[in-house]
Amino acid sequence: EADIYQTPRYLVIGTGKKITLECSQTMGHDKMYWYQQDPGMELHLIHYSYGVNSTEKGDLSSESTVSRIRTEHFPLTLESARPSHTSQYLCASSEKNDGYTFGSGTRLTVV
Amino acid sequence: KNQVEQSPQSLIILEGKNCTLQCNYTVSPFSNLRWYKQDTGRGPVSLTIMTFSENTKSNGRYTATLDADTKQSSLHITASQLSDSASYICVVSERGSYIPTFGRGTSLIVHP
Repeated sequence: EADIYQTPRYLVIGTGKKITLECSQTMGHDKMYWYQQDPGMELHLIHYSYGVNSTEKGDLSSESTVSRIRTEHFPLTLESARPSHTSQYLCASSEKNDGYTFGSGTRLTVV
Repeated sequence: KNQVEQSPQSLIILEGKNCTLQCNYTVSPFSNLRWYKQDTGRGPVSLTIMTFSENTKSNGRYTATLDADTKQSSLHITASQLSDSASYICVVSERGSYIPTFGRGTSLIVHP
């Protein structure tokens, strides 16, 4: 049973719209991450957080922003969606360095 | 730069057969190595995690091995089932870092 939840599972939106992808975990993990994954490709880290009020950008250049106001919540926002943002977005959390727990992902399509 | 290379890129086998997936890495200093299974359109799910002192770990029909000297790992799947069709991802962590290095994955298809 997953303890990390992502909503929505699927989203189709028009170009220029602002969207927020939600991610919540109930495990009390300090560390949370957002990854972007195109079909059949590897995961790319776009944002991470080591705790409340701590956020960092990952390796992949992204036009998204994140916030970490509460330990359990790590939303990802796209201010103006573009077709190049079409991808799967995966949220994960971890405690110490012993493995990630991933959410089921949000499949985003920008038309 | 830390790297994780997986082979083969894709594999097709018949139901009931065994298979072995490979993972080579350059991550140093090494902390742990994990294998994940990712079904299409879903998030990865952890199968095994191995530290430096462990060289074999099993999870049901999945057995992972680790040779920290040669920096190689393998994932052996016994008596494959149709539900084993997925991408298998090798993930290696560097000691002192909370950002692991992901392999590109091996896509496994099990045919009836």
